[in-house]
Amino acid sequence: QKEVEQDPGPLSVPEGAIVSLNCTYSNSAFQYFMWYRQYSRKGPELLMYTYSSGNKEDGRFTAQVDKSSKYISLFIRDSQPSDSATYLCAIPGYSSASKIIFGSGTRLSIRP
Amino acid sequence: DTGVSQNPRHKITKRGQNVTFRCDPISEHNRLYWYRQTLGQGPEFLTYFQNEAQLEKSRLLSDRFSAERPKGSFSTLEIQRTEQGDSAMYLCASSPGTGQNEKLFFGSGTQLSVL
Repeated sequence: QKEVEQDPGPLSVPEGAIVSLNCTYSNSAFQYFMWYRQYSRKGPELLMYTYSSGNKEDGRFTAQVDKSSKYISLFIRDSQPSDSATYLCAIPGYSSASKIIFGSGTRLSIRP
Repeated sequence: DTGVSQNPRHKITKRGQNVTFRCDPISEHNRLYWYRQTLGQGPEFLTYFQNEAQLEKSRLLSDRFSAERPKGSFSTLEIQRTEQGDSAMYLCASSPGTGQNEKLFFGSGTQLSVL
């Protein structure tokens, strides 16, 4: 079983829709979770991080953790065409928190 | 430009040839990472450096791969006797290196195609 798994999509929604992106993780000991955004032909960039204690909001973005089901989510409100990208959930590695383990990414397209 | 710089952006090579990629991290960042990303997958960890010391290597990093960071600044990743399965985006990232759960700053990667 992979440490973190993610639905690859692709996901296509109209502009203004609420988007829900989801990952599951395998180890209940994980406490820290990240979402990276990757535009085409670019490296990933950190979008948000959250600890396992609940929700975190940043503008149109909300990161949520459900420890009981080992489920992490990223919600995007009022989605914009500029949000079209691949979204990667990520966790720190077992052996070294310096090493980040990424999900496979969900490709999101926002239709104008 | 204060971001992570990778060169070249694209590399096309024939199977069996050696290739070398360069990464210039954000200045004063102590940690430097190499990741590999194939189409439709997330980045996979290869190795990382704390200053000039290579502290961890993934099992993905076969004997044909070698990474160096000789003076704790830029890094090189060399692949010897390339194989078609080496075709991927090779991403470099850096972080300050002062604690746990640090934000990684990625470069735009080197896209390798092995023919």
